[in-house]
Amino acid sequence: GEDVEQSLFLSVREGDSSVINCTYTDSSSTYLYWYKQEPGAGLQLLTYIFSNMDMKQDQRLTVLLNKKDKHLSLRIADTQTGDSAIYFCAESSHSGNTGKLIFGQGTTLQVKP
Amino acid sequence: DAGVTQSPTHLIKTRGQQVTLRCSPKSGHDTVSWYQQALGQGPQFIFQYYEEEERQRGNFPDRFSGHQFPNYSSEQNVNAVLLGDSALYLCAISPGQGSEKLFFGSGTQLSVL
Repeated sequence: GEDVEQSLFLSVREGDSSVINCTYTDSSSTYLYWYKQEPGAGLQLLTYIFSNMDMKQDQRLTVLLNKKDKHLSLRIADTQTGDSAIYFCAESSHSGNTGKLIFGQGTTLQVKP
Repeated sequence: DAGVTQSPTHLIKTRGQQVTLRCSPKSGHDTVSWYQQALGQGPQFIFQYYEEEERQRGNFPDRFSGHQFPNYSSEQNVNAVLLGDSALYLCAISPGQGSEKLFFGSGTQLSVL
């Protein structure tokens, strides 16, 4: 079945780049997403990429997609303490109907001053 | 602002009771999806409503049911709650069928004692 996997924890120093990785199994994925969740809060949509793209940049965020290896990454440039949160990768394989996403377990990003 | 309000923010129930959770999208967001997020896990898809009908359903028992009203707001009911139903319940909205974006509310934290 569909599955999304992420490493559980990443620690970086303030000002460094962070790279969070994700793998997925569903080759029919149409969109892939990155969400951020801060303690006690819902999920904030950071960015997403269509499966026919291999890169998307949005300010400090860069998403790379390797469709052949089913690997997605999120790079955060100049990481700040405010970036400390849990980051979720998710995929949608229902074209035209985005309601059902399959999420990974989340990667906790710790940013040290 | 994700454009979706959930209530209540917290709920405490004892085993066997019924719960009702509410989700109110702002106008123009007509597809509502519900997710369950257990502690330390990624969200899991429960079901989706569009035009007042359940369109998709995840792997959840019939104790979990929902409804969508003509103004697009939605309720989720959980009958005979179990300890394992303790989780954050998230409502997510899409600005119409075919949209690739999914925005989440802040959730309702359900604790079952």
